[in-house]
Amino acid sequence: KNQVEQSPQSLIILEGKNCTLQCNYTVSPFSNLRWYKQDTGRGPVSLTIMTFSENTKSNGRYTATLDADTKQSSLHITASQLSDSASYICVVSGGSWGKFQFGAGTQVVVTP
Amino acid sequence: DAGVTQSPTHLIKTRGQHVTLRCSPISGHKSVSWYQQVLGQGPQFIFQYYEKEERGRGNFPDRFSARQFPNYSSELNVNALLLGDSALYLCASSPGDGGENQPQHFGDGTRLSIL
Repeated sequence: KNQVEQSPQSLIILEGKNCTLQCNYTVSPFSNLRWYKQDTGRGPVSLTIMTFSENTKSNGRYTATLDADTKQSSLHITASQLSDSASYICVVSGGSWGKFQFGAGTQVVVTP
Repeated sequence: DAGVTQSPTHLIKTRGQHVTLRCSPISGHKSVSWYQQVLGQGPQFIFQYYEKEERGRGNFPDRFSARQFPNYSSELNVNALLLGDSALYLCASSPGDGGENQPQHFGDGTRLSIL
């Protein structure tokens, strides 16, 4: 069973609207949680990295939150743009050295 | 500065063949990791190398092997290719020792198709 679960699997939003993506994890011990953006046919690009003690981090129009007690994270996209169309992947690291647990991603489509 | 570069970008092989994928990390990065990403799924960890030594291995069969060279570039080798090996193979480099708190920078991957 995957230790990092993302929801929804996909979503369609209108340009200019906001959306929130969810990530639940069971990875233990926990070191940090990352959100990546992956455009089709490209490698993932880091958006945010949060450690246990951080509960929110922003990168432009992207804001990630972390609740380490409930093992939940969210990624909020504000005022979406067409270029936000991509897969957003939640990654949790902890335990074995250098190993990262990836979620399956949420596919976001922004329409005009 | 150049990012992580991978070659080739696309590759078509037939079952039973062997393949070698290459990765050049960001200048100054000494840690390289390899991932397999099947269509519609998140990347799965295959290997991590630091200073030419294997530091981590994912749950992949022995058909998969890798090495890191003195200039920190890396190769991923896959023998006896199966249809299920069709995937995007991603390489990521990290500064420092590539440990769990280090950032990872990904290349754009090699798209491997097995016929």
